[in-house]
Formats: sequence, C-alpha cells, structure tokens
Amino acid sequence: EIVLTQSPGTLSLSPGERATLSCRASQSVSSSYLAWYQQKPGQAPRLLIYGASSRATGIPDRFSGSGSGTDFTLTISRLEPEDFAVYYCQQYGSSQTFGQGTKVEIK
Amino acid sequence: EVQLLESGGGLVQPGGSLRLSCAASGFTFSSYAMSWVRQAPGKGLEWVSAISGSGGSTYYTDSVKGRFTISRDNSKNTLYLQMNSLRAEDTAVYYCAKGPRMTTPSYFDYWGQGTLVTVSS
Repeated sequence: EIVLTQSPGTLSLSPGERATLSCRASQSVSSSYLAWYQQKPGQAPRLLIYGASSRATGIPDRFSGSGSGTDFTLTISRLEPEDFAVYYCQQYGSSQTFGQGTKVEIK
Repeated sequence: EVQLLESGGGLVQPGGSLRLSCAASGFTFSSYAMSWVRQAPGKGLEWVSAISGSGGSTYYTDSVKGRFTISRDNSKNTLYLQMNSLRAEDTAVYYCAKGPRMTTPSYFDYWGQGTLVTVSS
C-alpha cells in the first residue's frame, strides 16, 4: 500500500499570503495519479486537482498542483477567506489512499 | 447537475448489519465507477470500497474484506454498501463518491453529503 504523508499538519497564515502544502508518497505514484481535495467543517470533500496538476472544473487559478514520483505540492497563491480548510492528497495509481490532511488556519 | 444522496445510516450494535444506499442523478450512472469513502469523527478520509460501472469488478480495503459488500443497480441509478459484523471502528460518516470513468482506481469528482454510521452498544 502506498502511504501518503502530508506536511505540515497545520499551516497558520493570513489572507493574501501564499500557502505551500506537501504530500510525500512512500513509493512512486504511477503516471502522477495524485489528487487534492478541500474539506470545510460539516461538508463533503471537494476535488481541486487531479493528475497532479490539472484543475477540476470551477476551481480558481490561485490553486495549482505540481510534482511527480514521490513528491507533490499544492500551492494556493493568495489565500482568500474561503480557503481556510483542511486539504487532503490522494493517490490512485495503486488502489487508492489518502494522506492524513493539512489544516490551513487563519493566523 | 450531478447529485449523490446517501441514506441508511444510523445507530447499530456491534456485530450488527446496515445497508447504505446512494441515489445518483444528473449523469449516466452505468458509465462511471463509484466508491464509498468514510471519515471517522475528527479523523481523515479512508477509501472503503469501489465498483466498476458495469458492476463486474469490486474492490475493498483490507479492514472490511469479508464483512462489507458493494453493489449497484444501474436500472435504479443506485449504489449500495451492505455492512455486516460491524465494529466500533467502523463508526464514521460514509460518503458516496463518483469516479471520472468506468474503471477504478481513480480520483473522485463528485461526493454526496454523507451518512453517519455509529456502532455502539
């Protein structure tokens, strides 16, 4: 099973700042089959990024994904108030597993 | 508009059974793989089970193999999860999630709002 480790666990930032979230895999993720989700309290997750760098429908361009192999990054260029949430990465190259999440909180 | 509506959650005793349903609309149900993903209270996401668009292929995480059964009725646009021999650690919100193609594994482009399953005596 591919284990995904997200860091940091919590990111404390102010609106307008840049957020950089990391997702590291225990082994190479084939074909960059890596997705990112956003989840707010009491809500279902929402797909942001798939294929490591493709934005899902309706996702603002301040969200971007990059990486390959075992190291992936989600970047939010300028945080908006609605971006404070928990973010999960997921690999789907070998079955499917999720990382433990990164909470982006208001500083 | 894609909609996924889960039902069937509730309180059940350890060792008991429950069947979850997910009614789908807004897309050609039989053309897409579907999954169940759960989230224990205050915890992260865990993929539980998946089924191909045709229903011919099914997949499970190790912790539920032999206890849970995923199925679908493409004539009713409905996904199911039969859960037997339930344990306290199965307590979670269970989400129905749609894949972007007929086969799995995949990412999930649409999610339902979830149904809470509580296993407790």
